[in-house]
Amino acid sequence: AQSVTQLGSHVSVSEGALVLLRCNYSSSVPPYLFWYVQYPNQGLQLLLKYTSAATLVKGINGFEAEFKKSETSFHLTKPSAHMSDAAEYFCAVNTNAGKSTFGDGTTLTVKP
Amino acid sequence: KAGVTQTPRYLIKTRGQQVTLSCSPISGHRSVSWYQQTPGQGLQFLFEYFSETQRNKGNFPGRFSGRQFSNSRSEMNVSTLELGDSALYLCASSTSSGGVAGELFFGEGSRLTVL
Repeated sequence: AQSVTQLGSHVSVSEGALVLLRCNYSSSVPPYLFWYVQYPNQGLQLLLKYTSAATLVKGINGFEAEFKKSETSFHLTKPSAHMSDAAEYFCAVNTNAGKSTFGDGTTLTVKP
Repeated sequence: KAGVTQTPRYLIKTRGQQVTLSCSPISGHRSVSWYQQTPGQGLQFLFEYFSETQRNKGNFPGRFSGRQFSNSRSEMNVSTLELGDSALYLCASSTSSGGVAGELFFGEGSRLTVL
């Protein structure tokens, strides 16, 4: 079985500050890991994915994540937050091509 | 390339009715999956279809069903609606086949309200 835990349902940062959204996973086999972003009244959009190549993965909009097998983590970071980054972020794990398991999501608020 | 299209975007039903939601995947994508999103339960996997066959199924009652057509378009049906079925239903398509996990491309969702 696979599962995802996102620590912190709400994260608030100031514009220009570091963004850190935490994700820990549980999987009995090597996982594929994803971060998605959801803006209000929209579907989810892929930010980045880990598929067993490089452990440091770069995505869109300046986001990146590092896969740490020893810590079973895949935290999402961005050096400098922008107002447009305010959204809900979901971490997902996939070990079965047709089924992804999502975390509960983290709402990011960016203060001016 | 057109994205994933879901119809209708919004709908209101009453308890006991049934509803059908439609999803057109990105051209060339053979995998279509459905998710239910609610504030309390988050994103819950409903089922996934690949080449007209249900390949995976989540833990939802039999009132929730789906199908996929030869052109990869998919529909999901919910019968005997309950208040708790009010949710955003998201469809996602993917190129994934066999054991390879591909990224999901989501539609904007169908927001169902049950009164």
